[in-house]
Amino acid sequence: DVKVTQSSRYLVKRTGEKVFLECVQDMDHENMFWYRQDPGLGLRLIYFSYDVKMKEKGDIPEGYSVSREKKERFSLILESASTNQTSMYLCASSPGGGRRLGQYFGPGTRLTVT
Amino acid sequence: QQPVQSPQAVILREGEDAVINCSSSKALYSVHWYRQKHGEAPVFLMILLKGGEQKGHEKISASFNEKKQQSSLYLTASQLSYSGTYFCGTPTNFGNEKLTFGTGTRLTIIP
Repeated sequence: DVKVTQSSRYLVKRTGEKVFLECVQDMDHENMFWYRQDPGLGLRLIYFSYDVKMKEKGDIPEGYSVSREKKERFSLILESASTNQTSMYLCASSPGGGRRLGQYFGPGTRLTVT
Repeated sequence: QQPVQSPQAVILREGEDAVINCSSSKALYSVHWYRQKHGEAPVFLMILLKGGEQKGHEKISASFNEKKQQSSLYLTASQLSYSGTYFCGTPTNFGNEKLTFGTGTRLTIIP
């Protein structure tokens, strides 16, 4: 089974702090994704990575950056956390390479910025 | 633009059928369907590609009509385990792995 793990299930940070959310997948997938999920808004893509050190902006990249130094690990960075970044953050991976297969999601990190 | 899902929420008794629709204002190349149970991560159900194909997962099937730019998810003889929020996702461009998700349809099955 594909396993996608995220470093924390719950996180509380103060406004202005730098926040790192880590995601690791164990199936050698090429693609990795970061989403945020808010009530009534569904899943919104923040960033997408299709290879090591390669990334593309999603629909809502403002206030976020990402890092992918190794194939299995994809980090989401909030440079200066703000209260409007309080949300559920979901990481996902997919095989890529043109194989039209689904995305596998991690359990999520519920981030609260106070 | 996000695909539009309808209905937003539906309550069914066990054994009843349901249809969830996903419509897009732009050309659809494929449609993904996911289910998210309360407090859990979304789980991939199926992907439908151009060609009007239908697919199935348990007693859940789906159709894809690229001319109408829509997909429908059919849940037959619903079980309690089908409760959750269903999302459709569509690629931002042809061949693109990035998806834009709808806002979801919350399905509640009661005994």
